[in-house]
Amino acid sequence: GIQVEQSPPDLILQEGANSTLRCNFSDSVNNLQWFHQNPWGQLINLFYIPSGTKQNGRLSATTVATERYSLLYISSSQTTDSGVYFCARSQGNLIFGKGTKLSVKP
Amino acid sequence: GAVVSQHPSWVICKSGTSVKIECRSLDFQATTMFWYRQFPKQSLMLMATSNEGSKATYEQGVEKDKFLINHASLTLSTLTVTSAHPEDSSFYICSARDHRANTEAFFGQGTRLTVV
Repeated sequence: GIQVEQSPPDLILQEGANSTLRCNFSDSVNNLQWFHQNPWGQLINLFYIPSGTKQNGRLSATTVATERYSLLYISSSQTTDSGVYFCARSQGNLIFGKGTKLSVKP
Repeated sequence: GAVVSQHPSWVICKSGTSVKIECRSLDFQATTMFWYRQFPKQSLMLMATSNEGSKATYEQGVEKDKFLINHASLTLSTLTVTSAHPEDSSFYICSARDHRANTEAFFGQGTRLTVV
């Protein structure tokens, strides 16, 4: 079946540091999304990015569909960035990776 | 972005009772909505696809008689957990996308169900 793999599974950062989260997928992607799940469980849409690069403030994402991966960059991390980051590939329904748990320490 | 509202946010019920969870798209119409379940420290697993005006499509291993899904309108899907047991305790979350365009999906706030 379709596979979505995320790395690293866990990441601990000092406030102000930068980080890169990776998402590999096993087949050609129609749609790819990045989400941040906050401590209350809410999934916050970060990027809808089937290909190319997008930026939103301190966050940016790049998807290289031909090489089947996507990257999420977080710059100047803040404690409020803590949580779990999911990428999900869409073909109708979303198929999720296992997530990267990010902890940003003050 | 588009708004998907899920209600209730949390519910505690007794074993053997049924619980209904609502998922509404507030500013768009959705012919299809999706229901996911998430166990602690795990990812989201698709339970079923809710289709407006027709039967839901369930993933393998999901009991359709246990998890009843109704999608009566283009803005509302409901998930009813019937005869709930403690093992049904979990986080349930729905998603929807605007049916006019195959673009990004949006999620409800999720429902934390505890069966005692």
